[in-house]
Amino acid sequence: HLVESGGGLGKPGGSLRLSCEATGVSFDFDTMNWVRQAPGKGLQWVASVTYRDMFIHYADFLEGRFFISRDDTRDSMFLQMNSLRADDTGTYYCVRAGFRDWGQGTLVTVSS
Amino acid sequence: DIRMTQSPSTLSASIGDRVTIACQASQDVRTFLNWYQHKPGEVPKVLIYGVSNLESGVPSRFSGGGSGTHFSLTIDSLQPEDSATYYCQQYADLPYTFGQGTKLEIE
Repeated sequence: HLVESGGGLGKPGGSLRLSCEATGVSFDFDTMNWVRQAPGKGLQWVASVTYRDMFIHYADFLEGRFFISRDDTRDSMFLQMNSLRADDTGTYYCVRAGFRDWGQGTLVTVSS
Repeated sequence: DIRMTQSPSTLSASIGDRVTIACQASQDVRTFLNWYQHKPGEVPKVLIYGVSNLESGVPSRFSGGGSGTHFSLTIDSLQPEDSATYYCQQYADLPYTFGQGTKLEIE
């Protein structure tokens, strides 16, 4: 299972750090992803990271504000969210390569 | 970026009906195409992976098909619990992209 944490209320311009931990099954060499859904909107891929951070990719709409990383010794992945905007509000999911294995999601709300 | 276009955007059908949702990709996505069912407050559920492979535990009334740029999700004998929004997604090329969703309402 994949378990996200770190969501909550963030202020515009502020920061939040999301975490995703694999329990029971290791990350192995799988690429890991973050996917989000804003309220009333569709699903949106955010970022992906390969084993040992060798290759990292971001959605263009992030404009350099978010940073993805992983710690394969702890089967954990992170999303550092900076310069938060109201439209970053939504549920963020941790998803394994192939997109068949999803975490339960963590809710991020950006509001003053 | 590969654009994924679903049709229709909304769909209303009755219990027992057969419905088909189409998904067109702007480029060839080979077999890297999944279908999801998403209900409010729940995690997106994978129905079909790799174009036509039924995910474990998913009822056999769901099926997927297609190739290249044209794909479809078919639901046979609609059930009340099938009311949800359905998404296709390509993971052939970055950035990975989803269709805009098809909201299925059961009359």
